[in-house]
Amino acid sequence: GAGVSQSPRYKVAKRGQDVALRCDPISGHVSLFWYQQALGQGPEFLTYFQNEAQLDKSGLPSDRFFAERPEGSVSTLKIQRTQQEDSAVYLCATSVTDTQYFGPGTRLTVL
Amino acid sequence: AQSVTQLDSQVPVFEEAPVELRCNYSSSVSVYLFWYVQYPNQGLQLLLKYLSGSTLVKGINGFEAEFNKSQTSFHLRKPSVHISDTAEYFCAVRSARQLTFGSGTQLTVLP
Repeated sequence: GAGVSQSPRYKVAKRGQDVALRCDPISGHVSLFWYQQALGQGPEFLTYFQNEAQLDKSGLPSDRFFAERPEGSVSTLKIQRTQQEDSAVYLCATSVTDTQYFGPGTRLTVL
Repeated sequence: AQSVTQLDSQVPVFEEAPVELRCNYSSSVSVYLFWYVQYPNQGLQLLLKYLSGSTLVKGINGFEAEFNKSQTSFHLRKPSVHISDTAEYFCAVRSARQLTFGSGTQLTVLP
């Protein structure tokens, strides 16, 4: 496709379960970002990749959050032992220059 | 650290009326500024950006914004709004690589 895609679009998890969220970037985009958007708030930065290298993970809220991009294309954000406060929309964005292009997001609800 | 303040959380306006959505930022370095729009259950779409040069920036859908360095502002304007402009609008500043977003302004266009 022409844009950033994310799957699943919706995910419901029971507290304590592990989840994996996938991001398929625009072809050729070397930079990839993950953001977390809580209800009624703006997106907040989680982590950044350039190709397969994770250059900044300063926004990850705890060690339960882990992201990878092993071949410099598809990225996965994993959340272990989910908690209710993890409920949010997780947005992926990719870029080649100064503009970030966003996917539709994955809405995670932790019960 | 950089921050963005969107002064109005909700802006109702009648169709065909002008609108201004306010954004102020704080940064100790040169900034790149962006406005994104988010429709329900969708990702963020870029409206316009300021990188350098002319302080008046024109974007898609008839929107424009003016960068004011002395007032550290980047307000978004449209001379005549349509029902289809109803959405959440986010102002963002870019530091290093990632974006820092404001909390958003819900624009509601009334018939």
